Amino acid sequence: DAGVIQSPRHEVTEMGQEVTLRCKPISGHNSLFWYRQTMMRGLELLIYFNNNVPIDDSGMPEDRFSAKMPNASFSTLKIQPSEPRDSAVYFCASSFSGGAETGELFFGEGSRLTVL
Amino acid sequence: AQSVTQLGSHVSVSEGALVLLRCNYSSSVPPYLFWYVQYPNQGLQLLLKYTTGATLVKGINGFEAEFKKSETSFHLTKPSAHMSDAAEYFCAVTRKGKLIFGQGTELSVKP
Repeated sequence: DAGVIQSPRHEVTEMGQEVTLRCKPISGHNSLFWYRQTMMRGLELLIYFNNNVPIDDSGMPEDRFSAKMPNASFSTLKIQPSEPRDSAVYFCASSFSGGAETGELFFGEGSRLTVL
Repeated sequence: AQSVTQLGSHVSVSEGALVLLRCNYSSSVPPYLFWYVQYPNQGLQLLLKYTTGATLVKGINGFEAEFKKSETSFHLTKPSAHMSDAAEYFCAVTRKGKLIFGQGTELSVKP
């Protein structure tokens, strides 16, 4: 069975450029989460969706970040314009109904973003 | 608000030795607690979880954790470390439908 699929795995871009990260959750899962991992701040929840609807985006750093989930099988996280401090590994995770209460999140392998 | 604190950002043990990774939680209500593992260049995987019931929880790869309400702890243990256990381990708690992670503990295993 396919797990959570993220693309690209690695992205190097220059400051000011737009970055789009993509995620395909596990089929049948109806909750999707975007996390950011850095050495300084650890794992931070940016936003999560339930049934394609954004439930909590309080972790989104600022207006430069946006996330969408147009259907149950696809989500994007966009940064425009990107800045060097956005450099991090971005993880997408999905779960069955109930959100994270069950605690069983399935993570993708991450997208490593470097902004020069 | 629920949160977790992991004591020690880096733990080093010898192969065959006991593994003990510490996690304390802060919660006003009985929490759901979790341990996740992250191998290099990979996403996180669920090791084990505590929701209700038995306080000693067994997970994959020989790991287990004990929920101790009196100590607000949920430490992760394994009797005998293996080289393949080298990874980063995260304690986590749920809060308002979200999974909140601790800062992580990197486990090194020496031959």
